[in-house]
Amino acid sequence: SQTIHQWPATLVQPVGSPLSLECTVEGTSNPNLYWYRQAAGRGLQLLFYSVGIGQISSEVPQNLSASRPQDRQFILSSKKLLLSDSGFYLCAWSVGSGNVWQYFGPGTRLTVT
Amino acid sequence: KQEVTQIPAALSVPEGENLVLNCSFTDSAIYNLQWFRQDPGKGLTSLLLIQSSQREQTSGRLNASLDKSSGRSTLYIAASQPGDSATYLCAVSDSGYALNFGKGTSLLVTP
Repeated sequence: SQTIHQWPATLVQPVGSPLSLECTVEGTSNPNLYWYRQAAGRGLQLLFYSVGIGQISSEVPQNLSASRPQDRQFILSSKKLLLSDSGFYLCAWSVGSGNVWQYFGPGTRLTVT
Repeated sequence: KQEVTQIPAALSVPEGENLVLNCSFTDSAIYNLQWFRQDPGKGLTSLLLIQSSQREQTSGRLNASLDKSSGRSTLYIAASQPGDSATYLCAVSDSGYALNFGKGTSLLVTP
């Protein structure tokens, strides 16, 4: 069966510090991978998605970046965090395109102080 | 840009009641609509997926309908239970990949 992992589960970082969140998927090949953010009082917002290694689509201009160094690994990074980067970060995967389910990881709670 | 709205934002019902959650979207050119459940501090659990060509989908006590032309979907929960308490999220896919989410309906089912 397929499993999605995210780490760390929680993170408290000062403004201006770097960020690296990791997501890995097990049990499937060539998944589509997604990063979403859920900020207080706002709905889930898509940040990035990837349909293959090295292929990253950015949905929202910001100081975050994403990379996909391996087929089942997706990394979210920042060089300098802002207070507005606080939120709940969710990774998701799907296979194929069109009418496909998306499956979400357990999330990372990021607090920028 | 696709916008998804969910009404009501919060709902409290006694155990055993049937209830309806509403979702509307602005662009009817969608691939599918999905309903998710989110427990506090947790990730999302997929509940139902309705393809754009379908009118409804059922899973256990859950039934979701889709009226693409009017940009509406409803999630019907029969015989609600305290374990159904959670936030329910509606999301539409108009690219076949990414999802556009509503802000959710927070449901509390009291014993």
